This record gives sequence, structure tokens and C-alpha cells, in this order.
Amino acid sequence: ILNVEQSPQSLHVQEGDSTNFTCSFPSSNFYALHWYRWETAKSPEALFVMTLNGDEKKKGRISATLNTKEGYSYLYIKGSQPEDSATYLCAFRLLNNAGNMLTFGGGTRLMVKP
Amino acid sequence: NAGVTQTPKFRILKIGQSMTLQCTQDMNHNYMYWYRQDPGMGLKLIYYSVGAGITDKGEVPNGYNVSRSTTEDFPLRLELAAPSQTSVYFCASSYSSARDRGHNGYTFGSGTRLTVV
Repeated sequence: ILNVEQSPQSLHVQEGDSTNFTCSFPSSNFYALHWYRWETAKSPEALFVMTLNGDEKKKGRISATLNTKEGYSYLYIKGSQPEDSATYLCAFRLLNNAGNMLTFGGGTRLMVKP
Repeated sequence: NAGVTQTPKFRILKIGQSMTLQCTQDMNHNYMYWYRQDPGMGLKLIYYSVGAGITDKGEVPNGYNVSRSTTEDFPLRLELAAPSQTSVYFCASSYSSARDRGHNGYTFGSGTRLTVV
């Protein structure tokens, strides 16, 4: 069983604050790391798929970094807005995984207060 | 283009009843998945399929069955519902080829909230 952990479990910030959270995953047999954004009462939506050590991806005010050698990824949100309130999931894909299966972390629930 | 469609959205079952959760996608994705999400827990993989006619077990397959007779459809069957199967179920799909090496994200359905009483 693969261990994918996210911290913190939840986070309350004020509008305008910048924030970041962590995803830890196995550092061996790495293939890819996914980030998803999951709003309440909706389905998870893909943010990033990261594959190379040192990768940095950005979408608007959200960015992510990847360290495959030590097994972690950070997700950053610059100038949080109430519409950023959601659960952010990371998911790890193992090498030699014929089914493209992902193992998900438990998520970080972000709440941004106006 | 509807993406991944799941039905029903909500269902209450009595212990021992059976039901099928429907999932269909119109994106010609070859891979399809069923996950369940329990409170405070991450998404757990129940079953997956790499193409029509091919299915395999995930992390938590007990009490479930699947079939994949077409590329579009991937129904999940509960034969004898138990309270432990109370959960939110998500179907997802993705496309993978030798060219993109499987680096595409999943597309998720909107979920089915199932309660077994």
C-alpha cells in the first residue's frame, strides 16, 4: 500500500493571504504526481500533472513544485480569494503501473475568509 | 461533450439489496476507474479498466463487481449491500497512449452518494 500524505488537513486563511501545503509520496519508482482541485458538491478537477524532478507548474495564482528525490510536492496559492476555497488533492502514480492508477492523499481543505 | 456522467446522484439501500451505479463517458477515454471516498479518508480505488473487456481489482474490491463491455460504459455493481458500503462513489476516466506516456489527468464524474441502512 502506497503512502501519500498531505498536510495540513485543513487551513483557514484571510482573503489576500498567500498559502502553501505539502504532499509527501514515496521517493522510489516515481512516475507522476497529480494535483486536483475539489470544490464542495462538485467533482475533482485536474490542476497539474508533474513528472520531472524540479518541475514547476503554474495556473493563474496557483503554482506547484516537485521534488522526486525526497518525495514531496508543494502547492502555492498567491493572494488567496474566497473562490479558492476547496479541497486540494494530490495523487501519486507509480512506475510500471499498467492501469495508470493513482493513489490519492487525504486532501488539504482550504477555507478563505473574505 | 458531457464528460463523465454518473447516475444516480443519491441512493438509499437496505442491507442485502443490490444495485448498479452507472458510469458513462463520451471522450473516448480508454481507462476508467471507480473510487470511493469515506469521511476523512482519501479516495480509494475499487476497480479499474484499461479498455473494453478488461477489468482489474483495485485496493478495496470486496463486495463489488464491474464490467466493461464498451469503451463508454463502466457500471459498478453492489450485490449484497452492507452498511460498510455507505460512501460517496466517483467514476473517473483518462486517456493514455504510448505518445503521451499516460501523463493526462483524470476526468471525474459528479459522484453518487450511497447510504446503506
